[in-house]
Amino acid sequence: DGGITQSPKYLFRKEGQNVTLSCEQNLNHDAMYWYRQDPGQGLRLIYYSQIVNDFQKGDIAEGYSVSREKKESFPLTVTSAQKNPTAFYLCASSAGQDSNQPQHFGDGTRLSIL
Amino acid sequence: AQSVTQPDIHITVSEGASLELRCNYSYGATPYLFWYVQSPGQGLQLLLKYFSGDTLVQGIKGFEAEFKRSQSSFNLRKPSVHWSDAAEYFCAVAPVGFQKLVFGTGTRLLVSP
Repeated sequence: DGGITQSPKYLFRKEGQNVTLSCEQNLNHDAMYWYRQDPGQGLRLIYYSQIVNDFQKGDIAEGYSVSREKKESFPLTVTSAQKNPTAFYLCASSAGQDSNQPQHFGDGTRLSIL
Repeated sequence: AQSVTQPDIHITVSEGASLELRCNYSYGATPYLFWYVQSPGQGLQLLLKYFSGDTLVQGIKGFEAEFKRSQSSFNLRKPSVHWSDAAEYFCAVAPVGFQKLVFGTGTRLLVSP
């Protein structure tokens, strides 16, 4: 079945450590997104990519980095510069850039600080 | 700036009763509108979407939503709630022509026996 796979499901980060969250899709979608979800705040956009080798900052990009070397993969790195990384991270993809293409979501990665 | 308001943080409904979740948006033109559902520890699943045309939109799992331009609202409804509908529901908007969703803060639905 086509879908979005996020791994790991749970991740723990030590102080000063960078961690990378994986997102893979086999839907042949061009666009991919990373969101952060905190209780009571809904979803906030971190980064998005409309095509391979191109990505743009979202609303809360500070302390995060991404790459888009392959169409199916859009990994997110949470750097040590992100001072409050504890959250639920969701990856999504859509068939095209236009907003009439619904976004499909993975099952998320929960990141916690040790 | 675009914004989405879901005024109810929590709603409790008895099983079998009807449900209405409220969503209001602020945007200069009519955007695309979406409702998503999230079960605990899971990702979001699209329930329905509105782009244009008929203002009453049917979705999956027996849900429907009505777009009211005069009220800038897109409320989600279900005639008879099942215990499996307990989840968090998010309304989202996106400007026409650009794929950048703005989400509301969500409404958590609790279903009582």
